[in-house]
Parts: sequence; structure tokens; C-alpha cells
Amino acid sequence: DADVTQTPRNRITKTGKRIMLECSQTKGHDRMYWYRQDPGLGLRLIYYSFDVKDINKGEISDGYSVSRQAQAKFSLSLESAIPNQTALYFCATRGTGTEQYFGPGTRLTVT
Amino acid sequence: AQSVAQPEDQVNVAEGNPLTVKCTYSVSGNPYLFWYVQYPNRGLQFLLKYITGDNLVKGSYGFEAEFNKSQTSFHLKKPSALVSDSALYFCAVSLLNDYKLSFGAGTTVTVRA
Repeated sequence: DADVTQTPRNRITKTGKRIMLECSQTKGHDRMYWYRQDPGLGLRLIYYSFDVKDINKGEISDGYSVSRQAQAKFSLSLESAIPNQTALYFCATRGTGTEQYFGPGTRLTVT
Repeated sequence: AQSVAQPEDQVNVAEGNPLTVKCTYSVSGNPYLFWYVQYPNRGLQFLLKYITGDNLVKGSYGFEAEFNKSQTSFHLKKPSALVSDSALYFCAVSLLNDYKLSFGAGTTVTVRA
């Protein structure tokens, strides 16, 4: 969905480096989410935010942190990247409806 | 706790044949159920949802799904598959008023010409 953008789209980094993935949306939605996708595991929730002041851990938050800089921006950080954080990362938003809208994803490789 | 199972990693069908992608769920309450599709190098796109009401729900691109409470299933169907339906399909569930989605592992659909 072009209304949800993610940068970078691809990133290769080394073990121990700090990296930030950014998500921006123009949908005006309050709720934003970060997921990671691994083959055979589907998508798993890392963090979610209901508004700028409300941030919550998902099922796999260890090793990650987030920042909600504004309603439209939600960043995911890996403080010290490790190889098993190699995955496809998705940002999603939700408005007052029930369905979530996903960005195009960031493919992260940690060597 | 809530969970979703997609028992088939892959589904292969010929173009023009019916397509079914299976999904079963487990929740302790009334579920919201969703199907998403992921095309190569793209994000997930919403296909359809069941919230309440008719058990048969219709969605985008000619897809439909049937909610079966007794069997805790929400299978995705399309009467006549197209080659362009080849993609990765995810079933997801959330609880009423919770909205945290739990996804299945995904089913890769290949439609051959």
C-alpha cells in the first residue's frame, strides 16, 4: 500500500551494529505495528503503538526497541544486531476499522 | 492465547479449477478472522474478513471464505483460479476489541496454466 512506506527496503549489516528501520504513513491512522516475517513462521508482532504516548511490546520484543516520533512515524531499532534477526520486517497501520494496512517491507540481513 | 494453523504449506491447482486454502483457529472468545495475500516482493494485501453476521464472506479478486464456528475453520475459496492468483496467503485471527493479529505460517498457492 503506497500510503505506508518503509525505508530502507533492503539492508545488509554486520553483527553488533545498531540499525534503525523507519515507517511513515499518510493514512492518518493512530495505530501502528511492527512485524517480522520468517519462512514457515508467518508474521510475528514485535511492538505496537495505539498513539504517540502508548507503546506496547508484542510477542517477540527482545533485542528490539521502537520510537513513535509522531502520529505518522514509527521506527524500529535493533540495538546490537545478531544474525537471527535476519528477516523481512513489515510496518502496518490501522484506523478505526478492523483491518491492518501493510508497508512493502524491509529485507534485513545480518552477517 | 490465540493461534492459527494453515495445514498446507503449498497448494497447486490448474487454472480454471477451484482453489481452497485451509485455515483453522483457536481463540478463547469471539474471533475476528482475516485473509491476506502477499505477492513477491510486496507487502501484505487485505483480502477479506469475518467479524459477525453471514458465515460466507466475499472479498477482493473473487475470493470468498466460510466461517465455521463448530469446526473453528475459515477456509479461503475461489471457484475458478487464475495464474495471477499465485502468491503466499496468510490467515490471521484477533480477539474482539483486541486487534492484535496472530498469523498462520502461510500457504503458497501455485496456479499452473
